[in-house]
Order: sequence, then C-alpha cells, then structure tokens
Amino acid sequence: GAVVSQHPSRVICKSGTSVKIECRSLDFQATTMFWYRQFPKQSLMLMATSNEGSKATYEQGVEKDKFLINHASLTLSTLTVTSAHPEDSSFYICSASRGQTQYFGPGTRLLVL
Amino acid sequence: GENVEQHPSTLSVQEGDSAVIKCTYSDSASNYFPWYKQELGKRPQLIIDIRSNVGEKKDQRIAVTLNKTAKHFSLHITETQPEDSAVYFCAASISGNAGNMLTFGGGTRLMVKP
Repeated sequence: GAVVSQHPSRVICKSGTSVKIECRSLDFQATTMFWYRQFPKQSLMLMATSNEGSKATYEQGVEKDKFLINHASLTLSTLTVTSAHPEDSSFYICSASRGQTQYFGPGTRLLVL
Repeated sequence: GENVEQHPSTLSVQEGDSAVIKCTYSDSASNYFPWYKQELGKRPQLIIDIRSNVGEKKDQRIAVTLNKTAKHFSLHITETQPEDSAVYFCAASISGNAGNMLTFGGGTRLMVKP
C-alpha cells in the first residue's frame, strides 16, 4: 500500500510554454501533498504544501504565480510550471501524506530548451 | 523553523562493514524521524522511521537510534552490500504541524565497495 504515481516521468518543452505535472495517491486518500524540487546531488527542496480544497502554502522564494498548484481531490494534486524557462529545468517530486509518513512519487524530470 | 544537519556528506565502506549516518535537529518539538534511501534518478523510499517515544528501532540490517536530549538520531546499516549504495536522507517533523511537513538533512552518499 501507499503508492504515489507521478506523470509525466520526463518532459522536454520549449521556453515560454507551460507544463502540468500530476501527482496521484493510488491506494489512499491524501489531504496533504507536497511538491519538491531537487537539483543534481542536492537534497529535496520543499516548494509548497498542497491542501485538498484550499490554497497551497508556498515556501519563501517560490513564486506562486509561476508554480500553480491545484489539489482538487483527495487523490490528485497538480503542479503547473507556467511560462517555463531553462532555469526551471529540474527534477520535481511530489509526496503524499498518510498519517505522519510521506510517500514519494517517482519524480518528473523537466528540461526546458 | 526546524533545521536538520546530516553527516557525513559522503561515506565509503567496504562490503560487509557497518555504516553510520548521523543527524541533528534543532526543534525539540519534533517527534517523527524518517530515513529515506534514494537511488540515482529514482524516488526517495522510506526505509525506517522512529517516533520520539522510542529510543531505538531495528529492521533486519537497519537500525535507527534517537537521543531526544541531545537532539540527534542516527542510521546504522550492518553487513553492508553493494545494493546499499545510494543517497540517504534523514528528516524530522512535528505531528500535525503544517500537514506533517518534513525538514530534510542534506543527504549522505553511501558507496559500498565490493
């Protein structure tokens, strides 16, 4: 149990386009999901906390108008990178909370050309 | 806010030896401490966790110890195998705080040499 999926696994897009990443908890309901960004050989950097039915809470320095988060159901949260630029290229990982434990999705590797 | 420090950043051991990774945390209210293993390009996988009402927990070759007074916790891997090679992250959280948000350490790259 406690499986989290993420789609797509990798995406290449042109600068200026928007990219949507989906995070799903497959066998449990998650009131809270988290979005992280991870640079090569670095730790997980929390971008925002996604709460079902309410606005996401963004960490300091993360632009909420650039990284749009929607958590419309107890099993789905989406992250949309708007007007993506090469500096947005990274590994984006979501997690879903089940009790106090977080289970991670497989990540999405985004490359913006 | 919570701050988690992790040491060492890299650790190389011979197959069969033990590996120890240490973390310290700053917020005495933290009460949940998971450890994740992340292989290259993969998702972090929970390998063991401990809550503040327990001092030690063991699962086969993996054990975690917690010292609440000193605010540090450690991961111990015995009889290491090449497949243990990965990056390990410790984390801390406070129950009910910000949706059980985790604060991660910087990670330890473990290399097990055959």
